[in-house]
Amino acid sequence: DAGVIQSPRHEVTEMGQEVTLRCKPISGHNSLFWYRQTMMRGLELLIYFNNNVPIDDSGMPEDRFSAKMPNASFSTLKIQPSEPRDSAVYFCASRSVRNTEAFFGQGTRLTVV
Amino acid sequence: AQSVTQLDSQVPVFEEAPVELRCNYSSSVSVYLFWYVQYPNQGLQLLLKYLSGSTLVKGINGFEAEFNKSQTSFHLRKPSVHISDTAEYFCAVIPFGRTALIFGKGTTLSVSS
Repeated sequence: DAGVIQSPRHEVTEMGQEVTLRCKPISGHNSLFWYRQTMMRGLELLIYFNNNVPIDDSGMPEDRFSAKMPNASFSTLKIQPSEPRDSAVYFCASRSVRNTEAFFGQGTRLTVV
Repeated sequence: AQSVTQLDSQVPVFEEAPVELRCNYSSSVSVYLFWYVQYPNQGLQLLLKYLSGSTLVKGINGFEAEFNKSQTSFHLRKPSVHISDTAEYFCAVIPFGRTALIFGKGTTLSVSS
C-alpha cells in the first residue's frame, strides 16, 4: 500500500484566496483525521470522520474551514478565504477499525502571504 | 478533558549516549499510549504503543517506553543514540471509547558527534 497520500505537498497562496487540500487514506481504513501543526500550538485535531461521516469538528478554527469526505477514498479540507495565520503544515491520517494507531501522510505545507 | 505534557521541549545529547524523553498525561479514563517520530519534512511514524499487558514496550529503532499508571507517565528511552535519531518526538494518547489521538507539544532530540 502506498500509505496516506496528500496533495499538494506545498502550497503558497495569497490572502483571500481559496485553498483546497486533498487526502487519499489507506484502502480499508474507516477513520480519517485532519491535523494542523504549528510551532505555537503543536499538533491540533481539526476534524475526523468515521465511515465518511464527520464525527467531531470541534477543532475547526472557524467557519472559513470546511472538510468533506464524499467517499471512502478521498477527503478535502478547504479554507475560504485564507489568511496568513492559516500558514501551517496540515496532516491527514487514517486508521482501520482493527488497529489503534493512525498512519499519517507527508503533510501539506501551506503558506498564506 | 485529557492532556499530554512533554516535559522537555529540546534534548541535546551526544552520539552513543543514553536518552530519556519524558511524557506525562492527564485523563479521567484509561488511555492507550503512543510515541511517534517526525523526521524533517516528513509525516509522523509510529515508534511504539502501549495498549495493555507488560508495561515495558519495545519499538522500532531500539527505542522502548515504560508505562507507569501511578505516575501517569510513559517515558521513552534509548540506551545509545545515533545521529540519525535526530528528530521531533511526540507522545500521544487515545482515551478509551474515543478515536482520535491527542498529542503533546513534542520534544526535539538533537544528537551530535
